[in-house]
Amino acid sequence: AQSVTQLGSHVSVSEGALVLLRCNYSSSVPPYLFWYVQYPNQGLQLLLKYTTGATLVKGINGFEAEFKKSETSFHLTKPSAHMSDAAEYFCVHRGTGGFKTIFGAGTRLFVKA
Amino acid sequence: GAGVSQSPSNKVTEKGKDVELRCDPISGHTALYWYRQSLGQGLEFLIYFQGNSAPDKSGLPSDRFSAERTGGSVSTLTIQRTQQEDSAVYLCASSAQTGASSEAFFGQGTRLTVV
Repeated sequence: AQSVTQLGSHVSVSEGALVLLRCNYSSSVPPYLFWYVQYPNQGLQLLLKYTTGATLVKGINGFEAEFKKSETSFHLTKPSAHMSDAAEYFCVHRGTGGFKTIFGAGTRLFVKA
Repeated sequence: GAGVSQSPSNKVTEKGKDVELRCDPISGHTALYWYRQSLGQGLEFLIYFQGNSAPDKSGLPSDRFSAERTGGSVSTLTIQRTQQEDSAVYLCASSAQTGASSEAFFGQGTRLTVV
């Protein structure tokens, strides 16, 4: 069965520090992987996605993620955190053979001044 | 419209009553998804529409839940005989393509509270 695990329900970083949000998936089929962000009182917004091709994908607001098949991971990073990055981040898996979408539990990012 | 629109934005209902939640997808989007976001839990997939048909209903939690889509556009999610555990934010998303790699655009959600 497909599943998505996000390590850490809460992550706190200082402004300017590296952001690393971890995501591991399990799937018997090649995955499509997405990261979505949900700002307070707003809807979900796509940050980036991996489908095929280059394993390092770049998204909006300086975020990027690397698909590592051997580690079944799709960690999200940003070199320097900004206060406006404070939000909840969801790692999402969708199997290429279907449309059932599995969301991770989410990681809430706090950015300290 | 410019984005996915859901109504109502908030709904408080008494236990045992039926509720209808509406989703207006982005014009021209063929795929439509319903999810549920419960307090303390992640997003849960409910159902997917491709046009007016629902090839995947596996996420509907019980037979009290049903959904339909008409004209390849508006979708309604109906919950019959609501229970307190149905309290959650119900999110709708649509995408332009039917491929599993396509980006889904989300509405703001309907917050349902069953009292």
